[in-house]
Amino acid sequence: NAGVTQTPKFQVLKTGQSMTLQCAQDMNHEYMSWYRQDPGMGLRLIHYSVGAGITDQGEVPNGYNVSRSTTEDFPLRLLSAAPSQTSVYFCASSYVTSENSPLHFGNGTRLTVT
Amino acid sequence: AQSVAQPEDQVNVAEGNPLTVKCTYSVSGNPYLFWYVQYPNRGLQFLLKYITGDNLVKGSYGFEAEFNKSQTSFHLKKPSALVSDSALYFCAVRENTGFQKLVFGTGTRLLVSP
Repeated sequence: NAGVTQTPKFQVLKTGQSMTLQCAQDMNHEYMSWYRQDPGMGLRLIHYSVGAGITDQGEVPNGYNVSRSTTEDFPLRLLSAAPSQTSVYFCASSYVTSENSPLHFGNGTRLTVT
Repeated sequence: AQSVAQPEDQVNVAEGNPLTVKCTYSVSGNPYLFWYVQYPNRGLQFLLKYITGDNLVKGSYGFEAEFNKSQTSFHLKKPSALVSDSALYFCAVRENTGFQKLVFGTGTRLLVSP
């Protein structure tokens, strides 16, 4: 199993550009989520999904969109990039039916917005 | 709302000495508590969890954590530190949902010197 795969690993955007961060998992996990990691602030939840067709907002959703058309994929879209979105983004997934199964994380996407 | 606090940005310990990384929590209802570790340029990895039962929880790589309800703490411990334990450690609490919607602390960097 590949686990949770995130692409790209690195990305530089100019202010106002849009892009999609990809996340795919091959563990048949129902729950998928996006976090951003910033120094001194830990990880903050952006959006999450408990299954195909179901998404909801986390703590810091502004400026980001998500969709969940399949169980495997959960892309994160930046609509109009801003310097404040410079961060490391992590996708994570887990089972829902086994409610305390741990989160599995991807290796992250480091995004710089200039 | 649930929250966790990690009061130390960094913990320094000599190899072979015991280590403690502190975490306190605030929850309504039963606490579901977790520790994750992050190595450079990688996603987070699950170490251990407390759901119910024994107050001393054992996890991966020789780590354990002590749950203390009266002090609302969940400190991570290891009897004998290794240089390879040097990493960023995150405490997390699960919100009152049926899935892994985790709230993370700000993280504590552990440096183990030879």
